[in-house]
Amino acid sequence: DAGVIQSPRHEVTEMGQEVTLRCKPISGHNSLFWYRQTMMRGLELLIYFNNNVPIDDSGMPEDRFSAKMPNASFSTLKIQPSEPRDSAVYFCASSFETGRPYEQYFGPGTRLTVT
Amino acid sequence: AQSVTQLGSHVSVSEGALVLLRCNYSSSVPPYLFWYVQYPNQGLQLLLKYTTGATLVKGINGFEAEFKKSETSFHLTKPSAHMSDAAEYFCAVSESGGGADGLTFGKGTHLIIQP
Repeated sequence: DAGVIQSPRHEVTEMGQEVTLRCKPISGHNSLFWYRQTMMRGLELLIYFNNNVPIDDSGMPEDRFSAKMPNASFSTLKIQPSEPRDSAVYFCASSFETGRPYEQYFGPGTRLTVT
Repeated sequence: AQSVTQLGSHVSVSEGALVLLRCNYSSSVPPYLFWYVQYPNQGLQLLLKYTTGATLVKGINGFEAEFKKSETSFHLTKPSAHMSDAAEYFCAVSESGGGADGLTFGKGTHLIIQP
């Protein structure tokens, strides 16, 4: 199994630009999570999907952030416009909810730098 | 709301010595508890999890953790540290355990192994 795939691995952009982060979950998993990791705030849940439907986006910091999951094998996290304080590592994770305690499998992350 | 507190942002032990990383949680319902490890520039990997049943949980790489409800703790231990254990360790809690919500993470503990 290829694991959770994220792209790009590194992104450097200028303030005001649009940034799109991509995630391909593990095949067969039906829950997908986006987290952000910073030195100041640690790991924070931004949004998660079950069966492609957004369930809780209360962790999304501002309207500049949006996430979509058009199908079971792809999700995007978009920041428009980007700001320097958005610099962080963004992780995507997926899991298989079967009514039993679950395990989340994390991708390698996208390191975003906004200058 | 659930929360996790990890005592000690940095822990240093000698190779061969006992590793003890502390985690206390707050949850309004019986929690599901997890320990993840993060190596530099990598995603998070699940070490072990507590769901129900036996309170002493064994994980990968010789780690184990004990759920103590009366102390609201889930400390991680390893009898003998190896140089390869040097990494960042995160304790996390979920109140649903069934994939219905994301994880709430502690701030992390950086484990340093002295030769």
